Amino acid sequence: TQLLEQSPQFLSIQEGENLTVYCNSSSVFSSLQWYRQEPGEGPVLLVTVVTGGEVKKLKRLTFQFGDARKDSSLHITAAQPGDTGLYLCAGGVDYKLSFGAGTTVTVRA
Amino acid sequence: DTEVTQTPKHLVMGMTNKKSLKCEQHMGHRAMYWYKQKAKKPPELMFVYSYEKLSINESVPSRFSPECPNSSLLNLHLHALQPEDSALYLCASSKGGGGPGYEQYFGPGTRLTVT
Repeated sequence: TQLLEQSPQFLSIQEGENLTVYCNSSSVFSSLQWYRQEPGEGPVLLVTVVTGGEVKKLKRLTFQFGDARKDSSLHITAAQPGDTGLYLCAGGVDYKLSFGAGTTVTVRA
Repeated sequence: DTEVTQTPKHLVMGMTNKKSLKCEQHMGHRAMYWYKQKAKKPPELMFVYSYEKLSINESVPSRFSPECPNSSLLNLHLHALQPEDSALYLCASSKGGGGPGYEQYFGPGTRLTVT
């Protein structure tokens, strides 16, 4: 049983479109991370959100942490083929990261 | 510098071989991790070292043996593996502690194939 539920599982969009990935849990996390992973490579940390209600922007990526620190979202504006990858959310509990199942994003040129 | 390095990048081994995976970080992190990842799935935690001591073993078979020689190095010794052990093996490190201390920085992984 995964503590973090990610949706959707797969997302295929055309270049220039927007997309949102959701990460939900019934548990409260002290922090939540978002990673992007390309095939055959390790996950790369995109952002850490710590404060309930926090919004962080990284170029065309916007990350939100829910007020209750149980959920988060990742929004990509004007997606590009370079955004293609597996997006993982992860929450920290006692030295362990609990990962969501991941969202595979494909951006078609 | 947020780099974690892993060697080798690829490894092919027979079921009777003994091999080792290596991981190194120079960020002063005190927690290091081994994960196993199958295609299109999230990483699965195997082991956690905190301050060079094994703190978590997620019921991993004894054919996988971790070692932490010092605060910068982490090894995973492999012996008598099965074909189903073929996967991407990831090393990660973190400062440790709560909040942002949970941020883990991953290496590029070792692609292991067991024949």
